[in-house]
Amino acid sequence: GAVVSQHPSWVICKSGTSVKIECRSLDFQATTMFWYRQFPKQSLMLMATSNEGSKATYEQGVEKDKFLINHASLTLSTLTVTSAHPEDSSFYICSAQRTPNTEAFFGQGTRLTVV
Amino acid sequence: AQSVTQPDIHITVSEGASLELRCNYSYGATPYLFWYVQSPGQGLQLLLKYFSGDTLVQGIKGFEAEFKRSQSSFNLRKPSVHWSDAAEYFCAVVPTDSWGKFQFGAGTQVVVTP
Repeated sequence: GAVVSQHPSWVICKSGTSVKIECRSLDFQATTMFWYRQFPKQSLMLMATSNEGSKATYEQGVEKDKFLINHASLTLSTLTVTSAHPEDSSFYICSAQRTPNTEAFFGQGTRLTVV
Repeated sequence: AQSVTQPDIHITVSEGASLELRCNYSYGATPYLFWYVQSPGQGLQLLLKYFSGDTLVQGIKGFEAEFKRSQSSFNLRKPSVHWSDAAEYFCAVVPTDSWGKFQFGAGTQVVVTP
């Protein structure tokens, strides 16, 4: 199989604090991971592409200093929302692929609520 | 510009009735095509996907989809819906030269009535 796991499944944090979300490929090594965001009652939008060992590539309009992405190993990518604000409250979901030009698989998502 | 369109934001269907969800795409070359379902507060579950070959694709939970190149469509169908099919359905595409980068449609909310 191709299992991708995110942790935590949900998190509540205070405004101004930072929160880290992990995305792990459990049974395969992922050279590339992707991060998406889904605002309430909206579709999913790609935020950034993360390649192991290199800097992430952010989509237009996504603040790279606010959404720090690290892909330090072939099985783990992290998304850190820095100085979170209520408008960052969203559902964040990652996907992972073994190699470029292969199918990507989604994690179960993380619901972030900033109060 | 590349786009994925789900024309129906909301569909209400009676339990036992048939369901069809529409999806149209606009891409230079035919992309890979997917349908996902999302229950409230949950992640995405893959229903089916189309890469090539037979244009009628069978998926899980009794769903099927038909790829029509001439119409740039990939509509999802189920002959008889169950109350548990109430959810949000997303059509998604991946360009064949950019594997992994999904572009999602806006979604269709399906409500099932008794």
